[in-house]
Amino acid sequence: DADVTQTPRNRITKTGKRIMLECSQTKGHDRMYWYRQDPGLGLRLIYYSFDVKDINKGEISDGYSVSRQAQAKFSLSLESAIPNQTALYFCATSDPGRDTEAFFGQGTRLTVV
Amino acid sequence: QQPVQSPQAVILREGEDAVINCSSSKALYSVHWYRQKHGEAPVFLMILLKGGEQKGHEKISASFNEKKQQSSLYLTASQLSYSGTYFCGTEMGTSGTYKYIFGTGTRLKVLA
Repeated sequence: DADVTQTPRNRITKTGKRIMLECSQTKGHDRMYWYRQDPGLGLRLIYYSFDVKDINKGEISDGYSVSRQAQAKFSLSLESAIPNQTALYFCATSDPGRDTEAFFGQGTRLTVV
Repeated sequence: QQPVQSPQAVILREGEDAVINCSSSKALYSVHWYRQKHGEAPVFLMILLKGGEQKGHEKISASFNEKKQQSSLYLTASQLSYSGTYFCGTEMGTSGTYKYIFGTGTRLKVLA
């Protein structure tokens, strides 16, 4: 099994719908992240969390919310999906401290129509 | 705040060399490099630390110029397996609150 698991892997939803993307990890890491990937824009940080009680906005948090249900689970929600939120979304985890690598999930391809 | 990478895309023949650059407007403590194969998750390649220490890949090298806030990834004698999107990344923030910020990405395609 993968260390970082995202569900669903693909999703098509309609404008205005609420949708949740889920991430779970078996690495035992405290730090978890949500990124979106768009062509030419790279990976942009949406939200990040250092532990269950510590959640922070990233560069592009508008229109998104998150929930850290446990050390191993970090969910991303789109309260009212819009077409420009169509993207590839990645969850990642890492150990605390500096100079540690990030481990990514397989990604969720979200299409908002 | 996001590091900018250049070129945005590059196509080369097997055996040719390529350089991917990463430039930041903020001071860099360290630089990470990741590679993403098509349809897959990004995977860690290496990390470069201040002072020149490098940890990671055996066949791919990189440099880190702290003063210029730049890093370059050197792909020599490229192989078909090098195709993918490359990201530089860095940890930004204060002690205990570091977050990963990634660059704009460079798409590399190696042709036979």
